[in-house]
Amino acid sequence: DAGITQSPRHKVTETGTPVTLRCHQTENHRYMYWYRQDPGHGLRLIHYSYGVKDTDKGEVSDGYSVSRSKTEDFLLTLESATSSQTSVYFCAIKGPTYEQYFGPGTRLTVT
Amino acid sequence: SQELEQSPQSLIVQEGKNLTINCTSSKTLYGLYWYKQKYGEGLIFLMMLQKGGEEKSHEKITAKLDEKKQQSSLHITASQPSHAGIYLCGADASGNTPLVFGKGTRLSVIA
Repeated sequence: DAGITQSPRHKVTETGTPVTLRCHQTENHRYMYWYRQDPGHGLRLIHYSYGVKDTDKGEVSDGYSVSRSKTEDFLLTLESATSSQTSVYFCAIKGPTYEQYFGPGTRLTVT
Repeated sequence: SQELEQSPQSLIVQEGKNLTINCTSSKTLYGLYWYKQKYGEGLIFLMMLQKGGEEKSHEKITAKLDEKKQQSSLHITASQPSHAGIYLCGADASGNTPLVFGKGTRLSVIA
């Protein structure tokens, strides 16, 4: 257990509304990641952070923004949700020997 | 960019049988990571391989990395229903880059 929690765990929202997902870690890890998991595509990186206020884009960053104002929290925001953003979102941290540990996931449905 | 190909995509085996899952990279790996995901849940870290020719075991699961560090195999001996789930391989090009994942292998174990 790497001390990673995600909230909310489930969310249904309407097209065009903003949505923020939260990832919280308790072990002061520097690197944090947001992935989405979709059938046929596997896990794809959205954004990642390598320190407070230090973030970078991943493979599928369009339509998403992130913020990290504290080491323990990494927020993922969908400014205006679309149906193509219906997915399961996973947060991860990098452990001491480069492995990544994942949170339990957030299932987001955009109607 | 690095791509990982997993085979087979799905596998149904009888309880007690052995099985192998493969993961092939388009580029030389820095590290190769195996994860297991139960349906509807998060990813559980299994093992990490970094050295060419390296082999690691955990209970009845053995993972190997070839000498060229471009292919890995995951072998399960005497499969049990508890082994059912999705197995994913992840890899990084260096210790500081996010993991890229294969699309996963769905394993079912039948009595």
